[in-house]
Amino acid sequence: QSVLTQPPSASGTPGQRVTISCSGSSSNIGSNSVYWYQQLPGTAPKLLIYTNNQRPSGVPDRFSGSKSGTSASLAISGLRSEDEADYYCAAWDGSLSGWVFGGGTKLTVL
Amino acid sequence: EVQLVESGGGLVQPGGSLRLSCAASGFTFSTYSMNWVRQAPGKGLEWVSYISSSSTTTHYADSMKGRFIISRDNAKNSLYLQMNSLTAEDTAVYYCAREMVPTGFSYWGQGTLVTVSS
Repeated sequence: QSVLTQPPSASGTPGQRVTISCSGSSSNIGSNSVYWYQQLPGTAPKLLIYTNNQRPSGVPDRFSGSKSGTSASLAISGLRSEDEADYYCAAWDGSLSGWVFGGGTKLTVL
Repeated sequence: EVQLVESGGGLVQPGGSLRLSCAASGFTFSTYSMNWVRQAPGKGLEWVSYISSSSTTTHYADSMKGRFIISRDNAKNSLYLQMNSLTAEDTAVYYCAREMVPTGFSYWGQGTLVTVSS
């Protein structure tokens, strides 16, 4: 299983707000930044959020990230059909000396 | 425009070896750390290996230590992954990704598929 824990699925209707959680430990989320990646079907992952809550240019402000202790979350407001994708959290793990990912959350827009 | 193009994937028998390449363009390759990340069919992302800009530091996921070797040639703007003693569990799409502090894996290639099967 993955070092970071995410729910396997999430869903919402257009316009709704959904959140995806990511739980880790003191050696990863607790002491390092959290990143979120979006993977649309059949494509490579794309950086969505960096350093816990920063958006790269081009990412809509509907996407936001937060971190508290050893957990983090991604919020998507004003849900749109094109948001249907897999979402992954990631962090550097100092004990493992490597990057760790969550297992991914498949977001369905109903 | 930043581009990362992986190549070298294919079908290999269990116990065999394969060398993946990642050709970089559109940025000063020699100033960025690079990583390999893989994704087994229908599964999530799994970090494989990291190499610093000047190759002085490398890291590997535990399941790859002793079998995989990451390297780079800054003169050729290329990243490599030598994979040995391959098993069916190594079957995956392998992505190269550019890393930068503090933005993480800001660019990814399109991936190359490695299939380990007899």
